[in-house]
Amino acid sequence: EVQLVESGGGLVQPGGSLRLSCAASGFTFSSYWMSWVRQAPGKGLEWVANIKQDGSEKYYVDSVKGRFTISRDNAKNSLYLQMNSLRAEDTAVYYCAREERSAPGAFDIWGQGTMVTVSS
Amino acid sequence: EIVMTQSPATLSVSPGERATLSCRASQSVSSNLAWYQQKPGQAPRLLIYGASTRATGIPARFSGSGSGTEFTLTISSLQSEDFAVYYCQQYNNWPPPYTFGQGTKLEIK
Repeated sequence: EVQLVESGGGLVQPGGSLRLSCAASGFTFSSYWMSWVRQAPGKGLEWVANIKQDGSEKYYVDSVKGRFTISRDNAKNSLYLQMNSLRAEDTAVYYCAREERSAPGAFDIWGQGTMVTVSS
Repeated sequence: EIVMTQSPATLSVSPGERATLSCRASQSVSSNLAWYQQKPGQAPRLLIYGASTRATGIPARFSGSGSGTEFTLTISSLQSEDFAVYYCQQYNNWPPPYTFGQGTKLEIK
């Protein structure tokens, strides 16, 4: 079964750090672009960052540039999001998502999400 | 950044009827447009990509059309399980950001 499972969310104070992980199974992880997408409580979806199959290209939404770092370990079939200098507006459910092979940028597989709450 | 605008914000339709959801891009995205369905407490599910290609396992009652800046998602005969929030998303921008519409809530009339 094709699956993505996120972990690492939780409550953190403003200015703090958190590292999210996403474990992939059931497909050849190293063959796909991967993304993080977030959803603030009661709000819509926002693409956060993505990474090329070999990790050589990474892109970010402006609001997280310089604070968040996306990475992957193809040997461990894992995707990561290191989040530093967290702000209240980063509070959201964070989804790991696979980009469709024939249409990179369309997200065909999603994890269940992990909640990040930034609050004092 | 390409802004995606969905209309209406809420659509009330009776089961068995047709639903038509609209999405407009602030500039051309060619056919690089996807539609997602999201139910409460669940992750989004890809319905359509390439503006009109159904994703794996998506029923034929879901269809997408359009190109450039105007797109439509049609659900031909609404089933109870179709009542949810629907998002459009462009992935034409390179490099990203990819951007989503604000969503259309499809509710039972």
